[in-house]
Amino acid sequence: QKEVEQDPGPLSVPEGAIVSLNCTYSNSAFQYFMWYRQYSRKGPELLMYTYSSGNKEDGRFTAQVDKSSKYISLFIRDSQPSDSATYLCAMNHPGKSTFGDGTTLTVKP
Amino acid sequence: DTGVSQDPRHKITKRGQNVTFRCDPISEHNRLYWYRQTLGQGPEFLTYFQNEAQLEKSRLLSDRFSAERPKGSFSTLEIQRTEQGDSAMYLCASSPRGQSYNEQFFGPGTRLTVL
Repeated sequence: QKEVEQDPGPLSVPEGAIVSLNCTYSNSAFQYFMWYRQYSRKGPELLMYTYSSGNKEDGRFTAQVDKSSKYISLFIRDSQPSDSATYLCAMNHPGKSTFGDGTTLTVKP
Repeated sequence: DTGVSQDPRHKITKRGQNVTFRCDPISEHNRLYWYRQTLGQGPEFLTYFQNEAQLEKSRLLSDRFSAERPKGSFSTLEIQRTEQGDSAMYLCASSPRGQSYNEQFFGPGTRLTVL
């Protein structure tokens, strides 16, 4: 079993929808939680980074961490076609990152 | 461009050949990481450096793989006697000192195809 499991998708939503992307993890030692966006054939781009349980907001993006349930989420409000990409969750312990396998999102105009 | 750069972007080689990739991190980032990513999977950790010291190597990294960061700046990843299973995207990332050291910034990757 993988240390980080991510909802596999793919996910297709209409423009303007609220998107929820989710990961679970098994290693209690993970301390830092990240969300990356990756376009096809490009390197991942860091979107959000959080340490503690709770919510962190940045524009249309909200990252949520529940350490007691070992569950993290990324919410995208008012989704745009430019948000179409693969979203990767990642966790650090500390230093190296352990990634989920990604959820591919398509936002249709 | 002050981001992480990788060279080459693409490499096609025959099975059994040796290949070497280079990564130039963001200036003054003291940590440098190598990951491997195959289609449909997330990046898998290979190794990382703090300055010139290699602090951790994954069990995935067989004896055919070696990485160096001789002066604490750029890094090279060498694969000897390549196998078809080595075909993947090799990603390099760097992170800054201090509290933000978990914020890893990735390069564009080197796509390796072993024929």
